[in-house]
Amino acid sequence: SQKIEQNSEALNIQEGKTATLTCNYTNYSPAYLQWYRQDPGRGPVFLLLIRENEKEKRKERLKVTFDTTLKQSLFHITASQPADSATYLCALAGSYGQNFVFGPGTRLSVLP
Amino acid sequence: GAGVSQSPSNKVTEKGKDVELRCDPISGHTALYWYRQSLGQGLEFLIYFQGNSAPDKSGLPSDRFSAERTGGSVSTLTIQRTQQEDSAVYLCASSLPITGDLFATEAFFGQGTRLTVV
Repeated sequence: SQKIEQNSEALNIQEGKTATLTCNYTNYSPAYLQWYRQDPGRGPVFLLLIRENEKEKRKERLKVTFDTTLKQSLFHITASQPADSATYLCALAGSYGQNFVFGPGTRLSVLP
Repeated sequence: GAGVSQSPSNKVTEKGKDVELRCDPISGHTALYWYRQSLGQGLEFLIYFQGNSAPDKSGLPSDRFSAERTGGSVSTLTIQRTQQEDSAVYLCASSLPITGDLFATEAFFGQGTRLTVV
């Protein structure tokens, strides 16, 4: 069955450092992979989308990579700030459907 | 409205009662999704509507759960004979294909309805 794993439940890093979050999947061939941010008590907010034929995507301090051979996406936040503290979710979608399958999320804490 | 609206924001119900959760998607969005999120867990897919196509109900956990979408807009998720394990945050999202790429979309989520079954 399809399985999505994110590197750890929680990740603590020091302000100013680069945070790297991992999303691994099995038994799935997604056409798109997305990353969302979720703050406590709120719905997820879209951050970035990357297609299967793209290796890397950037948006301001965010960078996403997608390796379909390794079945892995890496999500980087450079020059991290305490305001970046949140849970980050990866989501996969197939070629012809728009039904997103979400990973369990990683709770990031950026310490001042 | 500007975003996806869900009501009520909180619902406490007694075990065995039926509940209805409402979602108002962003105007013009053709796709609507329902997810469930238990405390500290990821999002569990429930059901997906796309335009006039038959909904994808593959995520509904039991026949106590049903959903409809009227006029291609507002959606209602109904849980009959609620059980304590139904307690969770129910999230609704809508999406519109990104210009020029029909199958690449971002989903806009509502704030969710926190359901507590006592």
